[in-house]
Formats: sequence, structure tokens, C-alpha cells
Amino acid sequence: QQQVKQSPQSLIVQKGGISIINCAYENTAFDYFPWYQQFPGKGPALLIAIRPDVSEKKEGRFTISFNKSAKQFSLHIMDSQPGDSATYFCAASRGSGGGADGLTFGKGTHLIIQP
Amino acid sequence: KAGVTQTPRYLIKTRGQQVTLSCSPISGHRSVSWYQQTPGQGLQFLFEYFSETQRNKGNFPGRFSGRQFSNSRSEMNVSTLELGDSALYLCASGEGRTDTQYFGPGTRLTVL
Repeated sequence: QQQVKQSPQSLIVQKGGISIINCAYENTAFDYFPWYQQFPGKGPALLIAIRPDVSEKKEGRFTISFNKSAKQFSLHIMDSQPGDSATYFCAASRGSGGGADGLTFGKGTHLIIQP
Repeated sequence: KAGVTQTPRYLIKTRGQQVTLSCSPISGHRSVSWYQQTPGQGLQFLFEYFSETQRNKGNFPGRFSGRQFSNSRSEMNVSTLELGDSALYLCASGEGRTDTQYFGPGTRLTVL
């Protein structure tokens, strides 16, 4: 049973455009929702995370939008750059940080930013 | 601070063998988690260690085990390797059990 569904599987965006990746979760006990970025040959790196008490969080060009009633959250990358080309994973967990119960990951989105 | 380090980075084994992977967390971090990453199943939680005790375990067979030492370094062992165990094994560390997890570069295991 896939508890976190991520879409799209792949995404091509022009430089300067907005990249949008969506995730939906099933377990209402989840209360920590991070996004990770992974480059080839590297481990995932935390980009930004949100808790369900806020509907939006912004850090630089990266914004998470959270809809608790719909059990959905999304990542927006503004002014997308070729260096943003990577695989992006949404995740969810019970409890802060994701260490205790482990993170449940989406399947990933392969993002390509065309120059 | 140095990041999470994992050794070896690449490993090739044959079916039936066993393997031990090592993880050194970020200095001061006491929580260590392990994940398996495959193209088909994605990233899956294996287990979490804190204060030398396994605190939580994902849905993996008993062939997968681990331990944590007093200096927080952790090892993961897979016995009786199967072809399906070929994957990138990632270690993540956090200051505590409820703190942000930082991932290492992983160990790429190939089972022939």
C-alpha cells in the first residue's frame, strides 16, 4: 500500500518557469512533510519541510503548499534553473524530523530544466 | 561539520553471501536510520537506531539487521543475499529521534 503518492513521474520545464510537483497522503497521523532533492550519485538532501499547522512555507525559490483537508501538498520551484535538474521526493512521517518512525517517501519526480 | 559517511561506496556480491555496510553519522548525531532505494520500490525505511538500540523497523525480512555502537556509528548486515537486494543503501542521521534526518551518499550493492 503506497501511503504517499507523487506526481508527475517526470517533468520538463523551461528555464525561468515554475516547476510544480504534487503529493497526496493517506495516513492522517502524518504530521511532518519534507521535500528532498537528489542528484545522481548523491544521497537525498532536505530542501524544505512543513507541518500541518501552516498552509504554506517559502524558502527562497522553493514553496510548499499544504492542504490538510484534501491530504495533499505540493512543491513549487519558482524561476527554475538548469541546476535544479534533479529527482525530487516528497515524504511524510509521524513526529518531527522523520527519525523515529521513519520517512514514507513518494516515488520521486525526475525534473529537467531546459536552458 | 563533516556529513554522513558510508563505506564502502560500491560493493559486488553473489547470491547467498552476506554483506556488512557501515555508516558514520554527523558528529553529535545520535539517531541513525537506514533506507533501501531501488528503481521499482523507491526509498523504503529499514530501521532506526538510537542509543545503541533498534527503536523501529520497516517491513523487511529478518535477513536485514543492524546495530549501533556507543559512538553512534552504525552497521547494517544482510545475510543470504538475493538478487532483489541489489539497491542503494542509504544511511541518515539526526541529532535526536525527532530531528531532521541528513542522508549520506549511500552504498551501491550489486548482487550477482
